[in-house]
Amino acid sequence: GQQLNQSPQSMFIQEGEDVSMNCTSSSIFNTWLWYKQEPGEGPVLLIALYKAGELTSNGRLTAQFGITRKDSFLNISASIPSDVGIYFCAGPDIKYNFNKFYFGSGTKLNVKP
Amino acid sequence: GAGVSQSPRYKVAKRGQDVALRCDPISGHVSLFWYQQALGQGPEFLTYFQNEAQLDKSGLPSDRFSAERTGGSVSTLTIQRTQQEDSAVYLCASSPGRFQETQYFGPGTRLLVL
Repeated sequence: GQQLNQSPQSMFIQEGEDVSMNCTSSSIFNTWLWYKQEPGEGPVLLIALYKAGELTSNGRLTAQFGITRKDSFLNISASIPSDVGIYFCAGPDIKYNFNKFYFGSGTKLNVKP
Repeated sequence: GAGVSQSPRYKVAKRGQDVALRCDPISGHVSLFWYQQALGQGPEFLTYFQNEAQLDKSGLPSDRFSAERTGGSVSTLTIQRTQQEDSAVYLCASSPGRFQETQYFGPGTRLLVL
């Protein structure tokens, strides 16, 4: 299957700092998705990107769809303690439309108050 | 409204035991997915249903794993003769349409095989 590589694996930051994480793929994706997962819960969709070069914001979150269509970035500005969690990138297999998704291994974010 | 629910939330099984994991999707959602999430990893696709039809089961790791969705609603993932490597969180997700990226995940069932 597809390989999605996320970096960094984990981050320890101070409240108020900006955060940047990225995701690269071995294959082209037509859609990039960013999820957040908190302990004991399922992932929750944060942002969806549909077009190469697209930049989308959702509050303090900004995500970009890379021009090569093989990468995506997620930035969080002015982090707060409730940003703690694991952030996953994901994308659908283009052969299956939105019926088969691949997830990265996640970036674990820790925010110190 | 109610989200996706899964039961049990935790299951401890002895190796060789059969287990059945239940998923109640959001009412009216057409698509239903099962994922396996190992510790420290992202979810891995297991299988996909559109209404009652299982359209893709390519992610099921072995023939010990099976799934069904009755009446286009509740789904059950069954693992027969459990092995230690089956220990993981099993996540269920549903989405409103057939081609829909917004998947709503349940909290998962944490399975530990001893």
